[in-house]
Amino acid sequence: DAGVTQSPTHLIKTRGQQVTLRCSPKSGHDTVSWYQQALGQGPQFIFQYYEEEERQRGNFPDRFSGHQFPNYSSELNVNALLLGDSALYLCASSQWDRLFGIYGYTFGSGTRLTVV
Amino acid sequence: AQKVTQAQTEISVVEKEDVTLDCVYETRDTTYYLFWYKQPPSGELVFLIRRNSFDEQNEISGRYSWNFQKSTSSFNFTITASQVVDSAVYFCAPYGQNFVFGPGTRLSVLP
Repeated sequence: DAGVTQSPTHLIKTRGQQVTLRCSPKSGHDTVSWYQQALGQGPQFIFQYYEEEERQRGNFPDRFSGHQFPNYSSELNVNALLLGDSALYLCASSQWDRLFGIYGYTFGSGTRLTVV
Repeated sequence: AQKVTQAQTEISVVEKEDVTLDCVYETRDTTYYLFWYKQPPSGELVFLIRRNSFDEQNEISGRYSWNFQKSTSSFNFTITASQVVDSAVYFCAPYGQNFVFGPGTRLSVLP
């Protein structure tokens, strides 16, 4: 059973460009969350998608946007890239249960984005 | 406001030594989950343990044990008889509506 799959694994972009990162959740999971992890720091929550809608958002500018598709996969888009956007972007999938909330949280290996 | 403190930035131990990683979580929430994750050089976050905020029973699982004291907001994690493969960055991560990761502690286990 495949876990969380992220693509690409590495990416180099130029400042000002736009980038799209992709995430396929673990089988049976319907919720996708994205995190940004700068070098030497802990991951920071960007946003979470459920039923194709953004359900929660962390303290990130509007340059960061996302989408969730009917098959639960998700994309993270970053516009007008800055040097400070260089980081490891982690996707996590989970299952939402109305009684128990979120469970089964599983992280992918991440996409390492370098902005030059 | 929530605050996660992992005061130990880096720890080095010799193989077979026991090592305890400290975490303090300050929050006004009364119900939450507390997780510990391990991040090896490959980058993937590996789930280690999860505890409920209302369960202060300490547990041991193999070489891992944890000590949760709600009165002091501390949630410490111990590896017994450390091994070289335990070398990684360890994150304390409370979960309310999403994860709030601590800054991490880099553990190096030397042969």
